Amino acid sequence: EDQVTQSPEALRLQEGESSSLNCSYTVSGLRGLFWYRQDPGKGPEFLFTLYSAGEEKEKERLKATLTKKESFLHITAPKPEDSATYLCAVRSFKETSGSRLTFGEGTQLTVNP
Amino acid sequence: KAGVTQTPRYLIKTRGQQVTLSCSPISGHRSVSWYQQTPGQGLQFLFEYFSETQRNKGNFPGRFSGRQFSNSRSEMNVSTLELGDSALYLCASSLRFLNTEAFFGQGTRLTVV
Repeated sequence: EDQVTQSPEALRLQEGESSSLNCSYTVSGLRGLFWYRQDPGKGPEFLFTLYSAGEEKEKERLKATLTKKESFLHITAPKPEDSATYLCAVRSFKETSGSRLTFGEGTQLTVNP
Repeated sequence: KAGVTQTPRYLIKTRGQQVTLSCSPISGHRSVSWYQQTPGQGLQFLFEYFSETQRNKGNFPGRFSGRQFSNSRSEMNVSTLELGDSALYLCASSLRFLNTEAFFGQGTRLTVV
């Protein structure tokens, strides 16, 4: 069974204090790892897709990296508007059960001014 | 271009009733998947449709069903509602069946009383 574990569960940073969020996964038939941002009461907002180990993607203050067993979301000099829950998901495909996205529980990030 | 549209945004139902939720994917997207999000369980996969066919189903009881129409719009139905069905139901659309990002709607908040 596919498993995605995110750590830490919650992270509180001061504005400008860089940090990283971790997503470790166990999946067979990996078809991509995805990062989303979710604000309270809203649907997840797509951030990045990573397909192979060594791949990196950047967007503003965020940078996502991928290894064979985990992914990191690095946040450089965060601002209060970066406060949200960050979700990691893996898409797998199996002949017997098809395709699905499996999500981690998320990391709730709070950035204080 | 327009994003994923889910209707209604909020719904209050009584135990034992049934409910139908609607999802209009991004124009040109042919894959639609549904998720249930609760504070305790996170995002749980319900099912995925592609070209009007259910391609995969999560571990939910048969009370949860769905369908996809020829224009890729999808509906999800829950019969004999239980209190535990209260959740945020999210729909996501993808361009193709595999190896593509999923873009989420804002969700339908279902409350069962």
